[in-house]
Amino acid sequence: DQQVKQNSPSLSVQEGRISILNCDYTNSMFDYFLWYKKYPAEGPTFLISISSIKDKNEDGRFTVFLNKSAKHLSLHIVPSQPGDSAVYFCAASHGQNFVFGPGTRLSVLP
Amino acid sequence: NAGVTQTPKFQVLKTGQSMTLQCAQDMNHEYMSWYRQDPGMGLRLIHYSVGAGITDQGEVPNGYNVSRSTTEDFPLRLLSAAPSQTSVYFCASSYSGTGPFYGYTFGSGTRLTVV
Repeated sequence: DQQVKQNSPSLSVQEGRISILNCDYTNSMFDYFLWYKKYPAEGPTFLISISSIKDKNEDGRFTVFLNKSAKHLSLHIVPSQPGDSAVYFCAASHGQNFVFGPGTRLSVLP
Repeated sequence: NAGVTQTPKFQVLKTGQSMTLQCAQDMNHEYMSWYRQDPGMGLRLIHYSVGAGITDQGEVPNGYNVSRSTTEDFPLRLLSAAPSQTSVYFCASSYSGTGPFYGYTFGSGTRLTVV
């Protein structure tokens, strides 16, 4: 049973609009959440993270929201750019125990 | 600063062959791990190490061995390759101390095909 779920395998958004990527988790022990971005033929790269003591973290165009009661987090990208087209992985951790979601492929259309 | 270096980038094996995937990092990270990426499955942890001489199993360890004789290197050995091990393999490293955690630094991956 997947502990971290990303129920949308793919998402298409127009350039300049908002992209919202969603992630759900089942293990209430997770206390740190991260988003990674992956381009083809490259390893994933760290994008943004949030601790369970916060409900929002912002870094430029990227904002992560955490709703602990719903065990849900989301990544907002505003405005979306064609260079944001990639696969986005959500990850949840407790200590060094990391669990990744299956990923969402984002396509930003010019 | 090379970060995490994986070799080879591509490999084709015959069923039953053995091989070693190499991983090296130059950031003095204590924690290193191996993941495999399969379609629709995300990244699944194979083995990890919290320091030289210490290794442990992850979610999908069967068919793989690891060792950590130095801080820098963490090779992954396939003992007898099977088609089910066809995947993309990523090595990752991080600090293991307390405080803000910025996640792993990943290598660029090894694409392995077992025929």
